[in-house]
Amino acid sequence: DGGITQSPKYLFRKEGQNVTLSCEQNLNHDAMYWYRQDPGQGLRLIYYSQIVNDFQKGDIAEGYSVSREKKESFPLTVTSAQKNPTAFYLCATSDRGLHGYTFGSGTRLTVV
Amino acid sequence: AQSVTQPDIHITVSEGASLELRCNYSYGATPYLFWYVQSPGQGLQLLLKYFSGDTLVQGIKGFEAEFKRSQSSFNLRKPSVHWSDAAEYFCAVGYILTGGGNKLTFGTGTQLKVEL
Repeated sequence: DGGITQSPKYLFRKEGQNVTLSCEQNLNHDAMYWYRQDPGQGLRLIYYSQIVNDFQKGDIAEGYSVSREKKESFPLTVTSAQKNPTAFYLCATSDRGLHGYTFGSGTRLTVV
Repeated sequence: AQSVTQPDIHITVSEGASLELRCNYSYGATPYLFWYVQSPGQGLQLLLKYFSGDTLVQGIKGFEAEFKRSQSSFNLRKPSVHWSDAAEYFCAVGYILTGGGNKLTFGTGTQLKVEL
């Protein structure tokens, strides 16, 4: 069954710790994306990758890092430099051409 | 730069009533437009999309949207709302990146409440 798996669904971390969110897909899509969602602000693009070993910053990349070592995986690290990391994080994928995104079910990160 | 405005933050309708959610976009070229729906704590699901051709687009779950270039709008409609339609709805405008990926810009969403 094709899809996107984000894990874990809920994540709690202490302030000052780095944390890595997982995103795995078996849709064979080339492009992968990370969005952050905050109440009343919609979705904001953090990073995206169109091909293995290549990625670009989105609109709010500061305090985040990514890697794309495999086509299927696009993990996001929230570093201690991110000032306000508590949010809902969504991973998405897209095939070549303008088809829109397929989204994962999200990870809710709470930093205390 | 592309942008999307969803002027209604919250909308409440009675079950069985008609629904229209507003979306206005700003984009220099031919827009590619999308509507997504999100249930609480979940990812977004694509309802419909417009690329070209017929300006009235049919989607899943009985939704439709009409593209009006003169008004820079892409409003979502449903003739009769069901209680299960209660969710948050996002409009998005996008384009194809050089590498083949998509760059979508989302509105801030409209929260739909359905009264029984």
